[in-house]
Amino acid sequence: DAGVIQSPRHEVTEMGQEVTLRCKPISGHDYLFWYRQTMMRGLELLIYFNNNVPIDDSGMPEDRFSAKMPNASFSTLKIQPSEPRDSAVYFCASSNPYNEQFFGPGTRLTVL
Amino acid sequence: GESVGLHLPTLSVQEGDNSIINCAYSNSASDYFIWYKQESGKGPQFIIDIRSNMDKRQGQRVTVLLNKTVKHLSLQIAATQPGDSAVYFCAENIKGGSYIPTFGRGTSLIVHP
Repeated sequence: DAGVIQSPRHEVTEMGQEVTLRCKPISGHDYLFWYRQTMMRGLELLIYFNNNVPIDDSGMPEDRFSAKMPNASFSTLKIQPSEPRDSAVYFCASSNPYNEQFFGPGTRLTVL
Repeated sequence: GESVGLHLPTLSVQEGDNSIINCAYSNSASDYFIWYKQESGKGPQFIIDIRSNMDKRQGQRVTVLLNKTVKHLSLQIAATQPGDSAVYFCAENIKGGSYIPTFGRGTSLIVHP
């Protein structure tokens, strides 16, 4: 298995633009997580899905952030409009219940 | 609220020394703990886990100790190597919950050759 796949690896955009981050979880995993990592706040859970259904999005910063999981092999995290304070590394992770998470390589987002 | 925290944000050691990274947790309902290693430019990777019915678990060069009395978790790395330089996170999981791990801030381990 190739592991969790994320794209793009790097994204540089201007304030106000829409950003879409993509994730392909490990096949067979029931859970998918989106995290944001910054030096100031560490690793923050934004939202997670169980069997493609969003379970808890309380970590999503505000309405500018949205996430979808249309099927078991694909998820997106969208920021619209983006702001400089959204600059961070965004990780996707997948797992089976009560087991370790497998993280993707992350997307480094820079909003100018 | 209850959370996972780390005592030392940075730990510097010499190659060949043993390293100990500590983690305090405050949720007594937590019953599953995981250590992750994050190298620069990469996502966190699983190192070792332990469940609350154990107080020690060993892997290759790594040992995790769990002290439920004082709610303390530690990761011991034997014969630390430069390749061990990374940020280490502990994460706790709560029994009976929907499995949402809570991550600590992380400890940066620097290994000097």
